[in-house]
Amino acid sequence: KNEVEQSPQNLTAQEGEFITINCSYSVGISALHWLQQHPGGGIVSLFMLSSGKKKHGRLIATINIQEKHSSLHITASHPRDSAVYICAVFYNTDKLIFGTGTRLQVFP
Amino acid sequence: DSGVTQTPKHLITATGQRVTLRCSPRSGDLSVYWYQQSLDQGLQFLIQYYNGEERAKGNILERFSAQQFPDLHSELNLSSLELGDSALYFCASSVASSTGELFFGEGSRLTVL
Repeated sequence: KNEVEQSPQNLTAQEGEFITINCSYSVGISALHWLQQHPGGGIVSLFMLSSGKKKHGRLIATINIQEKHSSLHITASHPRDSAVYICAVFYNTDKLIFGTGTRLQVFP
Repeated sequence: DSGVTQTPKHLITATGQRVTLRCSPRSGDLSVYWYQQSLDQGLQFLIQYYNGEERAKGNILERFSAQQFPDLHSELNLSSLELGDSALYFCASSVASSTGELFFGEGSRLTVL
């Protein structure tokens, strides 16, 4: 069993839909990151969370430390949101464990 | 542009060879992380340096080594290359450790033939 589990693995949506990607982890963490990887391969950090909730544009990320769970929400999804979304957690000071990613496709 | 520079972008080499991948972190960032992304394994943490010193080690093979120099750039050395080492190697930097935002380079794609 992976220490970081993401669901769903694949997600398709119509433009404008509200999207939720979930991440559960089994280790004690100091921080959780949500990353976005486009087909070209580049990785962009979307959020870093250690508690609560953060919002950036149409993206919202939440974390519940007690339940070891985080969610990434995309409101009013757009085809340009199509990418792989990766949850990653820092544990044991500086070790980073990655989830397997959620492949999102948004169709017009 | 993340501010993190990785070279080379692409590298093709043969089994048994040795290569060096280079990473220049964002100005002011003291931490450098190396990751490997292969098709069957996803992203794997290899090693982290903070201000010149090794800070954390992940799934890094003994054939691989890294270092961070006084100017804070880092190099990942891969030796006795095998076909299975073909992957994207990413470098990321952050101001501090673990609680800092991560900035990723564009990656170095290594193909071992």
